[in-house]
Amino acid sequence: SQTIHQWPATLVQPVGSPLSLECTVEGTSNPNLYWYRQAAGRGLQLLFYSVGIGQISSEVPQNLSASRPQDRQFILSSKKLLLSDSGFYLCAWSPSYNSPLHFGNGTRLTVT
Amino acid sequence: ILNVEQSPQSLHVQEGDSTNFTCSFPSSNFYALHWYRWETAKSPEALFVMTLNGDEKKKGRISATLNTKEGYSYLYIKGSQPEDSATYLCAFPSISNFGNEKLTFGTGTRLTIIP
Repeated sequence: SQTIHQWPATLVQPVGSPLSLECTVEGTSNPNLYWYRQAAGRGLQLLFYSVGIGQISSEVPQNLSASRPQDRQFILSSKKLLLSDSGFYLCAWSPSYNSPLHFGNGTRLTVT
Repeated sequence: ILNVEQSPQSLHVQEGDSTNFTCSFPSSNFYALHWYRWETAKSPEALFVMTLNGDEKKKGRISATLNTKEGYSYLYIKGSQPEDSATYLCAFPSISNFGNEKLTFGTGTRLTIIP
């Protein structure tokens, strides 16, 4: 069966520090991978999505970036965090658009 | 920018009552419509993926209908229970010219069941 792992679960980082959130999927190959963020009081915002290794599409240009170095690994990064980067980050995968998304447990990021 | 809208934003329902809420999406370039249930402190969980106009899906007391021509879907909950309290999200997939698939979520309907 397929599983998705996302870490860390919680993170407190000062403004200006770097960020790296990691997500891996097991039990499937060539998944569509997604990073979403929920800021306080808001819905799920799509940040990045990827259909294959090295193929990243960005919805939010700002100071975040994503990489997919391996088929089942998706990394969200920032060189310098802003206060507005605080939120709940969710990684998700699906085999295709007409299959449901499977979410990781999320990372609660607080930028201080 | 895709417009996926949900209404109402929040809803308080007495235990035992039935309720429904709406998701509106673009009626052109339709591929599928997803519904998710998101409980506090957990990750969203898929309820339904609907692909055909007129589709009706059911899972226990929860059901959903789909109208792709007019661009809306309804989610119904029959005989609400306290465990139904959650945020209900719909999501609309789109495919770019490069074949990239993305899923855009609505802002959700926050449902609170009053015991």
